[in-house]
Amino acid sequence: GQQVMQIPQYQHVQEGEDFTTYCNSSTTLSNIQWYKQRPGGHPVFLIQLVKSGEVKKQKRLTFQFGEAKKNSSLHITATQTTDVGTYFCAGPISGGGADGLTFGKGTHLIIQP
Amino acid sequence: NAGVTQTPKFQVLKTGQSMTLQCAQDMNHNSMYWYRQDPGMGLRLIYYSASEGTTDKGEVPNGYNVSRLNKREFSLRLESAAPSQTSVYFCASSESVGPGNTIYFGEGSWLTVV
Repeated sequence: GQQVMQIPQYQHVQEGEDFTTYCNSSTTLSNIQWYKQRPGGHPVFLIQLVKSGEVKKQKRLTFQFGEAKKNSSLHITATQTTDVGTYFCAGPISGGGADGLTFGKGTHLIIQP
Repeated sequence: NAGVTQTPKFQVLKTGQSMTLQCAQDMNHNSMYWYRQDPGMGLRLIYYSASEGTTDKGEVPNGYNVSRLNKREFSLRLESAAPSQTSVYFCASSESVGPGNTIYFGEGSWLTVV
């Protein structure tokens, strides 16, 4: 089945440094979604990208969808302690009759003050 | 607006015991899901219900059963719990299945099987 691979698994940064997580799919995605999960919490929707080459910004967060719609990235500028958590990308499950989203394994962002 | 509510929040089971995780959503969503989350494994889909009256297997259905009781409620049952089912379980819902639908998660149920 379709897989969504996400790297890195863990990222340690000093507060104020930038952070990027990457998501790659073996097949073309119709759309990709990003979720954030705070420690001990549940995943919360951040954004959806649909168009080839799309770039969206939310304050210090920049989301990109690749031209081939097989990869995506999330970049955080000047990280703050509130950015701590796990960031997941998710793409539609295709084939095998399954619906819903398939999630990457997530990137754990650890920020050192 | 409660969103997705799941119970219990914490549960300890002995191997072989059975239990049911309850989930309800108040967003009038058609589709509901059960995911499990394990360290290093991300979120894996157990079962989903595209609409009231239908259920389908996800990526890791073995050892689980589900019931879509009505449009609001979707329960997950462990008939004979095993230590490998120790995990955090998330119920979720979306307006419908398919591309473009945002998934809303409950707060999670922490299950330990000893």
